[in-house]
Amino acid sequence: RKEVEQDPGPFNVPEGATVAFNCTYSNSASQSFFWYRQDCRKEPKLLMSVYSSGNEDGRFTAQLNRASQYISLLIRDSKLSDSATYLCVVNRGSYIPTFGRGTSLIVHP
Amino acid sequence: GAVVSQHPSRVICKSGTSVKIECRSLDFQATTMFWYRQFPKQSLMLMATSNEGSKATYEQGVEKDKFLINHASLTLSTLTVTSAHPEDSSFYICSARSSTGGNQPQHFGDGTRLSIL
Repeated sequence: RKEVEQDPGPFNVPEGATVAFNCTYSNSASQSFFWYRQDCRKEPKLLMSVYSSGNEDGRFTAQLNRASQYISLLIRDSKLSDSATYLCVVNRGSYIPTFGRGTSLIVHP
Repeated sequence: GAVVSQHPSRVICKSGTSVKIECRSLDFQATTMFWYRQFPKQSLMLMATSNEGSKATYEQGVEKDKFLINHASLTLSTLTVTSAHPEDSSFYICSARSSTGGNQPQHFGDGTRLSIL
């Protein structure tokens, strides 16, 4: 089993839709979690950290479920500009961060 | 805050040339920097972990004599692709993590698009 797994998609949704991605991790000792966004031919950019109690930033909501070992990202009212690849990253202290392979989102008019 | 600068952004050069890429954390100290490579439509692939003041740790299959890494200070790491060949053409991206703790997020440089003719 891969250490961090994501559904590669693509998720193809209309503007205004709500879409959610999950990311599962295998190491129960994982300590911190992040969502990044990567546009085509660009570097990943930090979208948001994921906190134990869940957190929201505008249209984006991140959740952590330690019991089932997954994190999620919910995007409400999707915009065309949300089209990108969303990467989940799992940290385990000072160890090397582990990236998922990314989930591709396409928002169409 | 948390800005990482990578230079150059684009390199086109002849086969056999050595190419040096710089990665700087501009407003924070980074004990650890990471070097990635990404081929078109593929995932990020970690090449090596660069630790200030010590030798880099390379991932399996990455030739340390081919990809020289120097982490001379808490704000600068360099990757040199020695005697580059067309198969080394790729998007190289660095990232840096604050020295304040391993649970901090990484911040990425803009990437370097390397094309070897």
